[in-house]
Amino acid sequence: GQQVQQSPASLVLQEGENAELQCNFSSTATQLQWFYQSPGGSLVSLLSNPSGTKHTGRLTSTTVTKERRSSLHISSSQTTDSGTYLCAIDPNSAGNKLTFGIGTRVLVRP
Amino acid sequence: EAAVTQSPRSKVAVTGGKVTLSCHQTNNHDYMYWYRQDTGHGLRLIHYSYVADSTEKGDIPDGYKASRPSQENFSLILELASLSQTAVYFCASSELGAYSYEQYFGPGTRLTVL
Repeated sequence: GQQVQQSPASLVLQEGENAELQCNFSSTATQLQWFYQSPGGSLVSLLSNPSGTKHTGRLTSTTVTKERRSSLHISSSQTTDSGTYLCAIDPNSAGNKLTFGIGTRVLVRP
Repeated sequence: EAAVTQSPRSKVAVTGGKVTLSCHQTNNHDYMYWYRQDTGHGLRLIHYSYVADSTEKGDIPDGYKASRPSQENFSLILELASLSQTAVYFCASSELGAYSYEQYFGPGTRLTVL
């Protein structure tokens, strides 16, 4: 089965609204990374957060390792936040290999 | 910040032809990776390498070869391209396996096999 499941599959926001994206994984993870993929396709690393809470700008990630879940909170969304958010884990810390979820597609309307 | 470049950015190939995708990184990272992205599947690992002149199979290596001639360069080779290999291909790099490492991605190569 799929090792990394993300929800919701898609999300529509009004500019200024907050959003919370979920990532659940079926195996223990020694690494967890959130990525942003632009509508044009480029991938950017947002946060590396295998456990605990991390902040960067308007983004907050909270990972509860023993419960095998992570969330990404976007505060005060902007139209430029539109794109796909991907969660990826390293399920066994062998070879630094990431397994990706399919992503959450976010559309922020002005 | 890590700089990973890929060439070409897009390519149209014919079925049965040979395709080589190239990746170059300038941040002295040990690990390099090749992924493909298809709609509905997310990114899947094809090959990776943790040292020059050595490559490892990822999750979906069939139909692909990889080459790591130097620390900076990593190529993906499709000896006999097939329709099912139409996808977007991403290269990535990271530092040697430390806790909380990050992977940095190139801009992607859109490959269409006709």
